[in-house]
Amino acid sequence: GAVVSQHPSRVICKSGTSVKIECRSLDFQATTMFWYRQFPKKSLMLMATSNEGSKATYEQGVEKDKFLINHASLTLSTLTVTSAHPEDSSFYICSAAHSGANVLTFGAGSRLTVL
Amino acid sequence: KQEVTQIPAALSVPEGENLVLNCSFTDSAIYNLQWFRQDPGKGLTSLLLIQSSQREQTSGRLNASLDKSSGRSTLYIAASQPGDSATYLCAVGYNFNKFYFGSGTKLNVKP
Repeated sequence: GAVVSQHPSRVICKSGTSVKIECRSLDFQATTMFWYRQFPKKSLMLMATSNEGSKATYEQGVEKDKFLINHASLTLSTLTVTSAHPEDSSFYICSAAHSGANVLTFGAGSRLTVL
Repeated sequence: KQEVTQIPAALSVPEGENLVLNCSFTDSAIYNLQWFRQDPGKGLTSLLLIQSSQREQTSGRLNASLDKSSGRSTLYIAASQPGDSATYLCAVGYNFNKFYFGSGTKLNVKP
């Protein structure tokens, strides 16, 4: 079955540093990937749609300069949290869609803690 | 703006009970609806996917129904087990694979 891998699963960083999270589709090509953020005891909030070879589409209220998304290949999208602050601490999950299918496969998530 | 609501927010039942989780959505122009399970600190596991043209889907002890016109879906869990304890998320899918999630129902099945 389809597998989406996220790395790292956990990361702790200091305020002001930048952190990159990778999302890979292991056995299928994904022209579109999605990034979600989950606050404690809350549901997932769609942050942005990552499109291979073009700019990401951000949801309203999400700072594109804060959360940089790059989708350089059909199997890899990256989310970079720039100049991280403690309020950026959260659980970030990516998902990828099979070409032509309306089924999303989710990664296991990455927990970011900013000190 | 699409809003997805799940009721109840939390549910605690004894083992063996049949139970129903509810999901409602405001924008009925959906492509599909998925139910997910999330264990604490973990990612999502897809349970059932219902296309907009379908009324229900079944997998083992799980049955999900969809009433697009009224903006509702239910997840029925038969003969609940302690291993079913998790948070169940409803996600409504729209064009271009954009999904919007409900806040989840946290289920605890007591042995």
